[in-house]
Amino acid sequence: GDSVTQMEGPVTLSEEAFLTINCTYTATGYPSLFWYVQYPGEGLQLLLKATKADDKGSNKGFEATYRKETTSFHLEKGSVQVSDSAVYFCALTPWRYGGSQGNLIFGKGTKLSVKP
Amino acid sequence: DTGVSQNPRHKITKRGQNVTFRCDPISEHNRLYWYRQTLGQGPEFLTYFQNEAQLEKSRLLSDRFSAERPKGSFSTLEIQRTEQGDSAMYLCASSLTGVETQYFGPGTRLLVL
Repeated sequence: GDSVTQMEGPVTLSEEAFLTINCTYTATGYPSLFWYVQYPGEGLQLLLKATKADDKGSNKGFEATYRKETTSFHLEKGSVQVSDSAVYFCALTPWRYGGSQGNLIFGKGTKLSVKP
Repeated sequence: DTGVSQNPRHKITKRGQNVTFRCDPISEHNRLYWYRQTLGQGPEFLTYFQNEAQLEKSRLLSDRFSAERPKGSFSTLEIQRTEQGDSAMYLCASSLTGVETQYFGPGTRLLVL
């Protein structure tokens, strides 16, 4: 079945460092891809998404590009802030739903801590 | 937009008891999803509704679990004869047909003693 694999955490960075969180997926067809973020004490929030190959999702300085050839959707940010400390989840909706509206399949999450 | 709300936020129960959780989606959203999240894991899909119809159930949803959305608005998730393995965060999300983004509630944390 479809699945998502993301890099193990925790990841600890200094403020203004470059961030990459790797995410790869296994799926048939053309799933839609998402990054969700969970800040301490808060619910899951959509960070960015991409619905077709080569699309780039971006929000709050974060970016991720849908790479079908490598089945990847790595999250990047050029300069992290202390306020970016959170758990980041990569997710997909399976193609059998037409790439939308179906259930989300999540990775295990990567905890990011940014030190001042 | 008042967001997705879930009640209660925390529930402690003894093994063998029944529990019921409630989810109120964003008012105009016609799709509603239930997920379960255990410590250190990503959320896992349980079931979803479009309006009042339950369209899909995961294999994770054993016979002890039942979900309803009687009028296509709020939903309830009931767990009968709870087991310690049911201890988890139960998340609800909602979305609007034609829009991919699912909006999540804060979750109900269940502890089965």
